[in-house]
Amino acid sequence: DVKVTQSSRYLVKRTGEKVFLECVQDMDHENMFWYRQDPGLGLRLIYFSYDVKMKEKGDIPEGYSVSREKKERFSLILESASTNQTSMYLCASSSGYSYNEQFFGPGTRLTVL
Amino acid sequence: GEDVEQSLFLSVREGDSSVINCTYTDSSSTYLYWYKQEPGAGLQLLTYIFSNMDMKQDQRLTVLLNKKDKHLSLRIADTQTGDSAIYFCAERKSSSASKIIFGSGTRLSIRP
Repeated sequence: DVKVTQSSRYLVKRTGEKVFLECVQDMDHENMFWYRQDPGLGLRLIYFSYDVKMKEKGDIPEGYSVSREKKERFSLILESASTNQTSMYLCASSSGYSYNEQFFGPGTRLTVL
Repeated sequence: GEDVEQSLFLSVREGDSSVINCTYTDSSSTYLYWYKQEPGAGLQLLTYIFSNMDMKQDQRLTVLLNKKDKHLSLRIADTQTGDSAIYFCAERKSSSASKIIFGSGTRLSIRP
């Protein structure tokens, strides 16, 4: 079974704090993704990575950065958290082959006060 | 996802069929997907269809693809309470091997 795990299910941080969200996958997938999910807006891609140390901006990268030092791990960093970054954050991975199914983690609900 | 549109809510009586509709904009999309998100969980692939197909059936699920109108639908026969979830339509553009564009999701609720 493919497993994508995220470091926290719930997180509460204060405005201005630096926040790290970690994601780990165990299927040796090349591609990893970070999305945020907001009601009525669906999933919006923040960043994705198609290889170690490689990253590409998604649709809403402002206020975020990412790190991929190892193939199995993809980190999302909020340099200075703001209240409008309160959201559900979902990590996913895929092999990129065939129909390219994305496998999702359970999500981290982040609240910024 | 501005490229993929779907209605936000659908309410269906238990035992009836549910039909969730989606429109997409990229006629060159290679794969189209339906993902399901149960409460408190991440998304899980329900089914997909390759762009050269018109229909795909898998047990209670039927996917119809109308490429001319860029319309995708998911029909769930004999809807059960366990089908309550958010259903996301998604497309994989030909220009990107890895990126998938998701719609806003349709919340399906089941009435007794």
